[in-house]
Formats: sequence, structure tokens, C-alpha cells
Amino acid sequence: SYELTQPSSVSVSPGQTARITCSGDVLAKKYARWFQQKPGQAPVLVIYKDSERPSGIPERFSGSSSGTTVTLTISGAQVEDEADYYCYSAADNNRVFGGGTKLTVL
Amino acid sequence: EVQLVESGGGLVQPGGSLRLSCAASGFTFSSYEMNWVRQAPGKGLEWVSYISSSGSTIYYADSVKGRFTISRDNAKNSLYLQMNSLRAEDTAVYYCARLSSPLDYWGQGTLVTVSS
Repeated sequence: SYELTQPSSVSVSPGQTARITCSGDVLAKKYARWFQQKPGQAPVLVIYKDSERPSGIPERFSGSSSGTTVTLTISGAQVEDEADYYCYSAADNNRVFGGGTKLTVL
Repeated sequence: EVQLVESGGGLVQPGGSLRLSCAASGFTFSSYEMNWVRQAPGKGLEWVSYISSSGSTIYYADSVKGRFTISRDNAKNSLYLQMNSLRAEDTAVYYCARLSSPLDYWGQGTLVTVSS
């Protein structure tokens, strides 16, 4: 089975750039997605195929990939971006989520 | 509008069984692969199981293999998860999810509590 590793928390002030990393061997050969989850709500897709942004997701959300690490970048983070963020990838007969990163914007 | 509505959660004793259902609407259910994902209280997301659009290909997380069974009825636009030999660590909100980016959809989840 595969593993994806994320930092447990990231903290930024409003307007700063937040970067959340996700590492795992599977990312060298498979795309990653990023989900945002706010308390009491279902997850929402914010990035897919490493760097593509779904319709309706603000442009401040972007993704990148290098080797076995993908990064979610929130440029000019807003208070409403405070949430848990999860990376996700699928390979062969496995699907895996990262452990999640709590983003604090204050 | 795409909707996924889970049902069947509740309180069950350790060793017991429960069957979750997910009613899909707003899209051609038979064309999409589906997943179950769970989230223990205060914890992260954990993928549980996958089923292909036809039901011919099925995968499970190691943590549930041999105890859980995923299935679907395309005529009824429904996804199921039969959970047997439940353990305390299976306590979680269970989400039905269509992970077909960029159009990923999740239900609101159903809570399963395994406790005596």
C-alpha cells in the first residue's frame, strides 16, 4: 500500500502565501488531488491532476509537482481558507489520502 | 443537480453488522466508478473501498478487507457497503464519493458508531 505524508499544521497571516506539501513515492508516477474540508462539511476538490483548478475554485489556489512531492499553494490566503486540506492519489488497486494539514489563517 | 445521499448508519455493538446505502441522482450513475471514504471523529479521511461503473472491479483498504463488501445496483442508482465484524475503530462518518475529477462529488455522510 502507499503512503502520503503531509505536515500536520501550517499557519499564515491573512494575505500571506500558504504552502502545503504532500510527499509519497506514488506521486512520481500518479497525479494528486487536493481536497479542502471545513468543520462539519464534506470535502471539496480544489486541485486535480497536480495543478488543475476546478471551475469555481478561486485563482489563489494553485498546485505544483516535483518528483515525489506535490504542493498546494494559496496565494494571498483569506480567513475563509482556514480548513483542513488533504492530498489524495490513486494507483493500481489502492487509493490513499494524506494525513491532512490544518491551515490556520490569523 | 448531482446528489449523493447516504443512509443506514447508527449504533452497533462490536462484532455486529450494518449495511450502508447511497442513493445517487442527477447523473448517469451506471457510467461512474464510486467509492466509500470514512472519517473517524477528529481524524483524517480514510479511503475504504472502490467499485467500477459495472461493478466488475472492486478494491478495499487493508483495514476492512475480508469484513466489508461494496456493491452497487445500477438499476436503482444505488451504492452499498455491507459491514460485518465491526470494531470500535470502524466508528466514523462514512461518505459515498464520486471521485471523477474535475467533477468530484461527496455525500454528507452517515455516522456509524461501534460501541457496547
